[in-house]
Amino acid sequence: QSALTQPASVSGSPGQSITISCTGTSSDVGGYNYVSWYQQHPGKAPKLMIYEVSNRPSGVSNRFSGSKSGNTASLTISGLQAEDEADYYCSSYTSSSTHVFGTGTKVTVL
Amino acid sequence: QVQLVESGGGVVQPGRSLRLSCAASGFTFSSYGMHWVRQAPGKGLEWVAFIRYDGSNKYYADSVKGRFTISRDNSKNTLYLQMNSLRAEDTAVYYCAKDGPMYSSGRNWFDPWGQGTLVTVSS
Repeated sequence: QSALTQPASVSGSPGQSITISCTGTSSDVGGYNYVSWYQQHPGKAPKLMIYEVSNRPSGVSNRFSGSKSGNTASLTISGLQAEDEADYYCSSYTSSSTHVFGTGTKVTVL
Repeated sequence: QVQLVESGGGVVQPGRSLRLSCAASGFTFSSYGMHWVRQAPGKGLEWVAFIRYDGSNKYYADSVKGRFTISRDNSKNTLYLQMNSLRAEDTAVYYCAKDGPMYSSGRNWFDPWGQGTLVTVSS
C-alpha cells in the first residue's frame, strides 16, 4: 500500500488561508469517507483534527475544515496562526482493511 | 480523561523480539478497538495493526505481517504488540491509539494517541 500523496510543504502569512491536498486512489480515499487529518508538533504525538472527511472533534478550532472530491481529500486552515505551524498528515481506510497515511506536509507560518 | 501510556521500548539486536504495552485509562477499554502506529526517526506515520474491541479480528500492515502480533487483555486495560524477527527498518517510535466509535470494525480515526515508545533495532 503506497502512502497517500501530500505536498511536502505549504506556507502562509498570519490570517491567510491554506489548503493541504491528500491524493490517493479509488481503493482508499476515493472509496471511503474514512479520511482523517492529524496535526503533529515536533516531539509530540499526533492530534486528531478532522475525521470522516469533514467532521471536527470537540475542542478543535473551526478554522480547520475538511473536504473530499474523488480521490483527493483536502484540509483547509483559515485565519492562519503561529500555533498552526506543524506537520499535518492525512489518513484513509483502505479496501484491504488497513489504513494508509499521507506523506506529511510541513506548514510554515511566515 | 482518556490516557494511553506506552512502555517496553528499547534497543534490541536484529532478529530478536520485543513486546510493547499500552496501558489505557479514562474510558471503557473493552468497548473500543485499538491501533498501533509507528514513526521512524524524521519520517512520516505508518499504520501497523488494529485489534477489535473483543479481540475477534486483527489486521496488519504488509510490512509487519507474520512478524508482529497485536493482542489485548481487557481485564488489565492493556494493549500489546509482540514484535519478532526485528529488522533495522522497524526502528521507530511506536504509538498506540484508540479507534473512533465504540464497537467499531477499525475503519475509523485514531484518537487519542499515547506519547509513544522508541524501539531501536541495532547491533
